[in-house]
Amino acid sequence: AQTVTQSQPEMSVQEAETVTLSCTYDTSESNYYLFWYKQPPSRQMILVIRQEAYKQQNATENRFSVNFQKAAKSFSLKISDSQLGDTAMYFCAFFFIQGAQKLVFGQGTRLTINP
Amino acid sequence: KAGVTQTPRYLIKTRGQQVTLSCSPISGHRSVSWYQQTPGQGLQFLFEYFSETQRNKGNFPGRFSGRQFSNSRSEMNVSTLELGDSALYLCASTKEPGQGNEQYFGPGTRLTVT
Repeated sequence: AQTVTQSQPEMSVQEAETVTLSCTYDTSESNYYLFWYKQPPSRQMILVIRQEAYKQQNATENRFSVNFQKAAKSFSLKISDSQLGDTAMYFCAFFFIQGAQKLVFGQGTRLTINP
Repeated sequence: KAGVTQTPRYLIKTRGQQVTLSCSPISGHRSVSWYQQTPGQGLQFLFEYFSETQRNKGNFPGRFSGRQFSNSRSEMNVSTLELGDSALYLCASTKEPGQGNEQYFGPGTRLTVT
């Protein structure tokens, strides 16, 4: 079975701090894609970042970067210089090329940025 | 470019009724997927449509169905509504299926079953 685990249900940091959200997964596949999505209180799911499993280089998008450790099956998201607008639920998700070919989501981490 | 749109945004239905939700993908996107989001079960995949055909299906009862039109717009239908069907229903579009492309989500339809 393919499972995705986000072990931090809630996190809270001060504005401008750096925060890292954890995500681990379990799969026997070697080819897949990894995503982080953000869902603010408006409920609109927004794509934050995408990583291809076969690429060694970690993806970055402005203040957002990932630390992808394939052997450890770990995919964490780092938010630098956090802003109030970063307050949201964050979901990591995987797309497996073999099998079901669907996004499999973790349970989410509720991140609050405090002023 | 316009994003994914979903209508209606909110719905209140009674047990036993049926409901139809609509999703218009981003222009040029041909694949539409549907997800159910609840506090207890999180985000769960319902089904995916591509070229007017259901390409993939999640583990939901047959009361949940969908279709896709030639313009890539998609609808999902839930018949004989149950209280447990209360959820946020999200659709997502992507250019081509099965390649790990980015999926872009709509704002969702909040369904409440009373």
